[in-house]
Amino acid sequence: EAAVTQSPRNKVTVTGGNVTLSCRQTNSHNYMYWYRQDTGHGLRLIHYSYGAGNLQIGDVPDGYKATRTTQEDFFLLLELASPSQTSLYFCASSGYREEQYFGPGTRLTVL
Amino acid sequence: DAKTTQPDSMESTEGETVHLPCSHATISGNEYIYWYRQVPLQGPEYVTHGLQQNTTNSMAFLAIASDRKSSTLILTHVSLRDAAVYHCILSSSFSKLVFGQGTSLSVVP
Repeated sequence: EAAVTQSPRNKVTVTGGNVTLSCRQTNSHNYMYWYRQDTGHGLRLIHYSYGAGNLQIGDVPDGYKATRTTQEDFFLLLELASPSQTSLYFCASSGYREEQYFGPGTRLTVL
Repeated sequence: DAKTTQPDSMESTEGETVHLPCSHATISGNEYIYWYRQVPLQGPEYVTHGLQQNTTNSMAFLAIASDRKSSTLILTHVSLRDAAVYHCILSSSFSKLVFGQGTSLSVVP
């Protein structure tokens, strides 16, 4: 079974703060994704990547940067966090044209 | 990608078979039908997907209408562990899934 881990699991920061969310997958998947989930919106795609060094823009990218350093690791960066970015963040990975496997999520609170 | 319509909630009893409907009247020829489920505070879990033919796996049976404008996810012998929000998603690209509100399935003993 696919293994996707996220860290931290919970994070509290202040407005204007710098936050990095980490995701690692250990199944040699080429594709990795960052989603956010808010009440009333379902999951929304922020950024995704086809492989190390690649970055594709998702549906709600404003205020977020992402970087794929290796095939295993995908990071989401919030350089000037705002309260509107308080959310539950999920990372996922998949093979080419295959189903996505999701991590356990990171709950981020921006005060 | 085209949109889907699902009931907000459904209820079933343990051991029963439940049919979760999904309407997708504007589906395009190259769009696959995906089903994922999610329990609170956990990431979504892949259930199944199909294009035109009915499909089955260890988790569910997916029945797709001949005109592809609707589909039904069929769960047999449901247990309390099957209680979740079930998402029906259309996508022509395996890399982009757009999640809606889904159907909240509750299972009672």
